[in-house]
Amino acid sequence: AQSVAQPEDQVNVAEGNPLTVKCTYSVSGNPYLFWYVQYPNRGLQFLLKYITGDNLVKGSYGFEAEFNKSQTSFHLKKPSALVSDSALYFCAVRGMEYGNKLVFGAGTILRVKS
Amino acid sequence: DTEVTQTPKHLVMGMTNKKSLKCEQHMGHRAMYWYKQKAKKPPELMFVYSYEKLSINESVPSRFSPECPNSSLLNLHLHALQPEDSALYLCASSQVTEVSYNEQFFGPGTRLTVL
Repeated sequence: AQSVAQPEDQVNVAEGNPLTVKCTYSVSGNPYLFWYVQYPNRGLQFLLKYITGDNLVKGSYGFEAEFNKSQTSFHLKKPSALVSDSALYFCAVRGMEYGNKLVFGAGTILRVKS
Repeated sequence: DTEVTQTPKHLVMGMTNKKSLKCEQHMGHRAMYWYKQKAKKPPELMFVYSYEKLSINESVPSRFSPECPNSSLLNLHLHALQPEDSALYLCASSQVTEVSYNEQFFGPGTRLTVL
């Protein structure tokens, strides 16, 4: 079955420090992986996606994600966190199962403190 | 234009009311989606339209009725809702659903409260 796990409900990091938000997935066939961010009372904003090719994907607002096939992971990273990065982050996978539906992880709250 | 718009932003309705949520995009996308989201939870897929035809209904109760009048518009008609239907309703669009790596673009949502 197609699934996504975000093992941390919340991640706390100091401003200026690097951040990592973890995501692991399970899917048959090639995984198409996405990260979205949601600010309070807003819709989801697309950050980046992995289709194929280079395992390091760069996205919006200085975020990047590293695809690791052997560990079935797609962790979101940023070298230097900003207070404004504080939000709810969702990892998602889409594959050939279930009519190409997007399957979301449970979400991780990121809190960046000054 | 890379935006999905939704109206209204907020809606309060009684259990006997009939109301509609509206969604619009002008990105030329041929797939449109309705999601329901509870606080701090992931979005739950409700309906998918592909080329203006309903392609997925996730066993949503009939008190929710979707409509896709044209390739740019998506409506969600509401009737006889329950308090547990209170949530943020998100619309999204993407290029065709058959290609799995097409990202979805989300609107800001309608915050629905059912009294």
